[in-house]
Amino acid sequence: DARVTQTPRDKVTEMGQEVTMRCQPILGHNTVFWYRQTMKQGLELLAYFRNRAPLDDSGMPKDRFSAEMPDATLATLKIQPSEPRDSAVYFCASGRYGSGELFFGEGSRLTVL
Amino acid sequence: KNEVEQSPQNLTAQEGEFITINCSYSVGISALHWLQQHPGGGIVSLFMLSSGKKKHGRLIATINIQEKHSSLHITASHPRDSAVYICANSMDTGRRALTFGSGTRLQVQP
Repeated sequence: DARVTQTPRDKVTEMGQEVTMRCQPILGHNTVFWYRQTMKQGLELLAYFRNRAPLDDSGMPKDRFSAEMPDATLATLKIQPSEPRDSAVYFCASGRYGSGELFFGEGSRLTVL
Repeated sequence: KNEVEQSPQNLTAQEGEFITINCSYSVGISALHWLQQHPGGGIVSLFMLSSGKKKHGRLIATINIQEKHSSLHITASHPRDSAVYICANSMDTGRRALTFGSGTRLQVQP
C-alpha cells in the first residue's frame, strides 16, 4: 500500500537547535509539497518541488528554513535555528504532475520549547 | 488574492442526518479538493474535482464553477464521520499548490 512517509512523527527540541524533517514520497510521484499547520493559521504552503527542482518556496521564512530534494526518494525540511513560533505540524504531500491528486503523509509534530 | 471560505466552522449532527458543508472561493481555479482530518491524525484526500459532481460511498462533492462554490454532502452520517473537513483549491493545475479553507469541524453524535 503506497504512502507518503514522514519522520520524525514527533519532535520536541529547545529553541536554537537545528531540526530536520524528512519525507519519502510515493514511488513515481514527481511533485512534492511541504505544508505547515498551526491552530492560528491553519494549513500553509512552505515549499513545492517538481522533478526535484524547487518551484515555489515563497511561503517559507528564508532566514531559517531550507527545503531540498537530494534525490527522488527523499525531501528534507530543515529549520536552523528553531524558534517556539515554529511549533506546528509539518505535512509532506506528493503527487504526479498533471493528475492533480495529492497524497499526504501523517505529519511531523514539532514542539520548540 | 485567492481566498477560500468555509461554512459552517463547527457542525454537530445526530447520527443518520444529512450533512452539507459549503466552500466558496474568490478566483478562478483549476481544481478543488476536499480533505478529511481526524483529531491528531493525518490528512486524507476525499475528492478532487473541477466540474460537476463526484460520489464515493456516502460522500458527495459538487462544484459550480460559475458561482465559485462547492459543497460536500454526507448522507446517513455516522459517528466515525466526525473529523475536520477542509476545502482547498489550486489556481494552476501545473503548480497544484493548494490554498486552504479554515476547515469545518464535524461532530456526529450517536
